[in-house]
Order: sequence, then C-alpha cells, then structure tokens
Amino acid sequence: GENVEQHPSTLSVQEGDSAVIKCTYSDSASNYFPWYKQELGKGPQLIIDIRSNVGEKKDQRIAVTLNKTAKHFSLHITETQPEDSAVYFCAAQTGANNLFFGTGTRLTVIP
Amino acid sequence: KAGVTQTPRYLIKTRGQQVTLSCSPISGHRSVSWYQQTPGQGLQFLFEYFSETQRNKGNFPGRFSGRQFSNSRSEMNVSTLELGDSALYLCASSLVGQSKETQYFGPGTRLLVL
Repeated sequence: GENVEQHPSTLSVQEGDSAVIKCTYSDSASNYFPWYKQELGKGPQLIIDIRSNVGEKKDQRIAVTLNKTAKHFSLHITETQPEDSAVYFCAAQTGANNLFFGTGTRLTVIP
Repeated sequence: KAGVTQTPRYLIKTRGQQVTLSCSPISGHRSVSWYQQTPGQGLQFLFEYFSETQRNKGNFPGRFSGRQFSNSRSEMNVSTLELGDSALYLCASSLVGQSKETQYFGPGTRLLVL
C-alpha cells in the first residue's frame, strides 16, 4: 500500500517568516494530495489540496507544490501568524476513497 | 451548511466491553469514511461506506465494524475492547467518495479504554 513520509516532525518559526513542510509518497498511482490542519481538540480541517495534473496551487498565504517524478509534495505558508500554530498533515490518495496520512508536523509560530 | 457531527465526543470504557460511535455526514454527502488517530500509529483508515455498503476497508481486525443507514448516517462498533483501542475516532464525509474528492472531517470521538 501507499506510504507517506512527512518532515519535519516539529517546526518553530518567528511570526512573519515562512514555513515549509515536505512529504514523499511511494505509490505512483496516487493522484490526490490534500493538506489538513488540526488544532487541539478538533478534527483535521482541509486547508489546500492538489491533484496530479497540477504542479502548483496557491490560496492566499498557502501554496502547495507537487513533483510527480520525484514523488514529493510540499506545503508553503508565508507571512506566518500565531493562529497558524497547529499540527499539519499531508495525505495521498490512490483510486480508492481512503487517505494515507503522513505523521504530522507540529508548527509553532512565535510572536 | 452544518459540518460532520460525531457523537458522543468522549467515551470511557473498560476492557472487554463494546462501543458504538455515531457519525452524521454533511447534508447531501453519501460517502462516510472512518479513521483511527493515535500518537503511535497516526491517522489510519478503517473503512468507507457508500449507499449502505462497505466499499473499502483498511487493515484492522474484525472487532472493528460499521454500518451505514439509508440517510447516510453511519455507526462504527468496536467489540471486545482492548487498551490499544484508546484513540480519537474520526469520521469524514464526501459527496460520493470518488477519486480526488475532498473529505471533510468531524471533531472526532475520543475513546479511552481502561
């Protein structure tokens, strides 16, 4: 089955700086890559996703890039704010409707 | 539009008991998936239901089961609870559960097995 690796496990940045989280996947059939943000006591919330026919997607301060050849995708958050502090998960999906998740990155934005 | 709701939010059980968790998907969504989240194993897929049928299943023992009703609401059941079943159980819904479709998660049910 699919195996998703995520790095780093923890990330601390100063407010206003950028944060980058990287994921790799193993199954070349994976074609959908969402990113979720999980705050304490809440379920994962979708923040951005990318599909295999697109190399990059941006939504305000958040962007995701996908390199299918290298089987990796990354989340970029610019101008970080304290409310961006949370655990971020990447995921990959093949044809079936089940997501394979990375192990998560705990992002701390220091005011 | 209301999001995915899960009940109960918290549950304490003892080893050997069984438990039933409930999930109501977003209105109009017909696919419901269940995931288990633990510190050690992370987020793992349990199963997916569509039109009252289990369509996809993860690598969990038969003690974990589920069902879906005609209104798309879903329940999952864990029998003969073990300490290792302590986890956050998340439900996610999507329109029809096809490839590349967004899944929306509920707040989860936190289960503690003593």
